[in-house]
Amino acid sequence: NAGVTQTPKFQVLKTGQSMTLQCAQDMNHEYMSWYRQDPGMGLRLIHYSVGAGITDQGEVPNGYNVSRSTTEDFPLRLLSAAPSQTSVYFCASSYPGGNEQFFGPGTRLTVL
Amino acid sequence: KNEVEQSPQNLTAQEGEFITINCSYSVGISALHWLQQHPGGGIVSLFMLSSGKKKHGRLIATINIQEKHSSLHITASHPRDSAVYICAVRRGSQGNLIFGKGTKLSVKP
Repeated sequence: NAGVTQTPKFQVLKTGQSMTLQCAQDMNHEYMSWYRQDPGMGLRLIHYSVGAGITDQGEVPNGYNVSRSTTEDFPLRLLSAAPSQTSVYFCASSYPGGNEQFFGPGTRLTVL
Repeated sequence: KNEVEQSPQNLTAQEGEFITINCSYSVGISALHWLQQHPGGGIVSLFMLSSGKKKHGRLIATINIQEKHSSLHITASHPRDSAVYICAVRRGSQGNLIFGKGTKLSVKP
């Protein structure tokens, strides 16, 4: 099993550009989530999904969109990148209420 | 005030020392997770607790629900234990977690 995969690993954008961060898992997990990690702060939840076709907002959803058309994939879209979105982004998956959260390797995004 | 507080923020230890990292939370929870973030950035789950104590190798995690407090202990610490240790709490039946800011541990040989 590949676990949770994320692409790209690194990305540099200019202000106003859009892009999609990809996340996929092969463990048939229903629950998937996106977090951002900023210096001096804990991981913060952006969006999450409890199954295909179901998504909801987390703590910091502004400027991001998600969709969940399949169990495996949960892409995160930046609509119009801003310097405040410079961060490291982690995708995670688990069974709902599961014992273990599985994290992807992260995407380091810089917005100039 | 953050809902999940960890202490200390930074910890330096000599190889072989017994390590304790603390986590306090201010909300009702269904479970508490301890995670490890390697220097390269990857995050792995260590424990999920809803009561009592769990042990895996040299790692021990305890939780006191009444006091809203959890501890992560590392016995016979080793330089390879150097990492950021993160406490996170789950409030409902879903997977949404609230994270502490992490404790950066450095173990010197």
